[in-house]
Amino acid sequence: AQSVTQLDSQVPVFEEAPVELRCNYSSSVSVYLFWYVQYPNQGLQLLLKYLSGSTLVKGINGFEAEFNKSQTSFHLRKPSVHISDTAEYFCAVSDLRGAYKYIFGTGTRLKVLA
Amino acid sequence: NAGVTQTPKFRVLKTGQSMTLLCAQDMNHEYMYWYRQDPGMGLRLIHYSVGEGTTAKGEVPDGYNVSRLKKQNFLLGLESAAPSQTSVYFCASTYPRAEVVNTGELFFGEGSRLTVL
Repeated sequence: AQSVTQLDSQVPVFEEAPVELRCNYSSSVSVYLFWYVQYPNQGLQLLLKYLSGSTLVKGINGFEAEFNKSQTSFHLRKPSVHISDTAEYFCAVSDLRGAYKYIFGTGTRLKVLA
Repeated sequence: NAGVTQTPKFRVLKTGQSMTLLCAQDMNHEYMYWYRQDPGMGLRLIHYSVGEGTTAKGEVPDGYNVSRLKKQNFLLGLESAAPSQTSVYFCASTYPRAEVVNTGELFFGEGSRLTVL
């Protein structure tokens, strides 16, 4: 069984400041890791994913995440946020086997302040 | 390219009424999913399908039924709506081929907001 924990339900940050959104997971098998972003009244879209290779993954809009197997973490970072980054961010895992079922975290609402 | 389209986008039902949500994708994806999103609970899988004519239960299937008669469509039905089914429903699809560059990526519709009074 797999699970995903996003400890921070809300993260306020000032514009141009750095931000880190935390994601921890547990699984008895190898998993693949994803971050999705949801802007208000929209569906989710992929920010980035870790399937294999380099543990530092770069995504769209200047976001990056680092896969840490020993700490079972996949934290999302951005060095300088913009007002337009205000959205909800979801971490997800999947073993990409069978039906490719995904387990989502409860989400972190990022609010960028002017 | 429309991607994943959900209809309707908004609906208000009375307790006991029935309705169907339609999801249509034009990407020739084999796998399709229905999720519900509730505050503080993330996305929870209701039902899913790995191909035309096949469906399976997810994490929270009670009170819902699904059908996948055509590869591009995945229908979610509520036979007798309850207030606990007030939620935002998302359809998603993906293409499970390792050689495809976007393997593992879920493509989402914009959501259907359902209120049951």
